Amino acid sequence: ELKVEQNPLFLSMQEGKNYTIYCNYSTTSDRLYWYRQDPGKSLESLFVLLSNGAVKQEGRLMASLDTKARLSTLHITAAVHDLSATYFCAVDLYNFNKFYFGSGTKLNVKP
Amino acid sequence: GAVVSQHPSWVICKSGTSVKIECRSLDFQATTMFWYRQFPKQSLMLMATSNEGSKATYEQGVEKDKFLINHASLTLSTLTVTSAHPEDSSFYICGGGSEKRYFGAGTRLSVL
Repeated sequence: ELKVEQNPLFLSMQEGKNYTIYCNYSTTSDRLYWYRQDPGKSLESLFVLLSNGAVKQEGRLMASLDTKARLSTLHITAAVHDLSATYFCAVDLYNFNKFYFGSGTKLNVKP
Repeated sequence: GAVVSQHPSWVICKSGTSVKIECRSLDFQATTMFWYRQFPKQSLMLMATSNEGSKATYEQGVEKDKFLINHASLTLSTLTVTSAHPEDSSFYICGGGSEKRYFGAGTRLSVL
C-alpha cells in the first residue's frame, strides 16, 4: 500500500518568513501534484511535477521533485496571510490508475 | 483549466435512503475518475477508481455494495451511497484528467 506522508502537519509562521513543506512517498512514481484547499472548499491545483528534478515556481511558492529520494518539497518564500490554507501533495500511480493524497499540511500565516 | 462539475454540492437525507452524486467532466474525456471521502480536518481517502465502461476498482475496506459507482460515459461518473447511515456523513470529492488532475467542488452529505 502506498504511503504519502507530509511534514509538518501543522505550520504556524509569521508573515515574511520562509518555510518548506515535505512530501515523502513510499513507492516509485514520477508524477507528483500539489494542491491547496481552503476550509469547506475543494482543491485548487498548484503544481504538476512530471519528472525527476522538476522545479516549478508560482509567486511565493516553489515545488520540486526528487524521484530517487521519493521526496517533493513545497517552499514558501516571504509568507503572506493569504497563503493560509491546507496544502496537499498527491502521488499519481498512473500505471495502476491510483491517485493518493498526502496527509495535508495546515498552514497558518500570522500577520 | 479543465472543469469537473459535481452535483449536488450539499445533500441532507434520512437514514436508510440512497443518495446519488454526479461527477461530470465538462471539457475533457474521463476514462477514469477518482472518488474520495474527506472527514473534517483530515486528508482525502481514495475510495475507488471508476473506469468508463467497466467495473470500478475499490480500495481495501470500502464496501462495494454500499458505495455503488457507475461510469457509463466518458463525461459522467456517479457514486450512489446506498442505505445511508449517519456514519456515511462526509465530504465526497471526485476528480479526473490525464496529465493534469482536476477535482469537483465536492458534495457534503449529511445523514440524519
